[in-house]
Amino acid sequence: EAGVAQSPRYKIIEKRQSVAFWCNPISGHATLYWYQQILGQGPKLLIQFQNNGVVDDSQLPKDRFSAERLKGVDSTLKIQPAKLEDSAVYLCASSSGTGRTEAFFGQGTRLTVV
Amino acid sequence: KQEVTQIPAALSVPEGENLVLNCSFTDSAIYNLQWFRQDPGKGLTSLLLIQSSQREQTSGRLNASLDKSSGRSTLYIAASQPGDSATYLCAAAGGGSARQLTFGSGTQLTVLP
Repeated sequence: EAGVAQSPRYKIIEKRQSVAFWCNPISGHATLYWYQQILGQGPKLLIQFQNNGVVDDSQLPKDRFSAERLKGVDSTLKIQPAKLEDSAVYLCASSSGTGRTEAFFGQGTRLTVV
Repeated sequence: KQEVTQIPAALSVPEGENLVLNCSFTDSAIYNLQWFRQDPGKGLTSLLLIQSSQREQTSGRLNASLDKSSGRSTLYIAASQPGDSATYLCAAAGGGSARQLTFGSGTQLTVLP
């Protein structure tokens, strides 16, 4: 069974530029999460999708961050414009949404804003 | 709002020791609790998941326990090895329909050969 795929693995941009991350969850998983992990901290939930609907985006900085999950499968997370404090690892995870709801994570995208 | 705390933040032990990592959470109305391992520069690997109705789960040298009433979970690692060196994170899944994961800051474990 293929795991959660994320791209790119690394990205370096200048502040005020825009950037987009892509995530392909495990096949059949209804729930998709985007987390931000700043160095030395635990992951913080940015947005949670159930199929293609948003369940929770209370911690998403909506003035600069946006996310979508078209057709309830792949998802993209965009930052525009980026700030220095956005430097972090962006993790995508998925779960079946039923039963054990065990979450499986991708390798993450490490973003550096200079 | 759920808050998850992990103590200690870092731990260094000699190879072969048994050790316990601690996780506490403020809202006992959780759906499950999950332990993850994170290697430097990598994503999270799920180790164990304990449903709210369970008291413990075991996988190889790992044993995780859950005490909802006290808001605590522990991860026990037996006969530690240098390959166990990593950051260990616990995450509590909310009891509501959304079941969001709230993470602690992790315990960075170093097992010395």
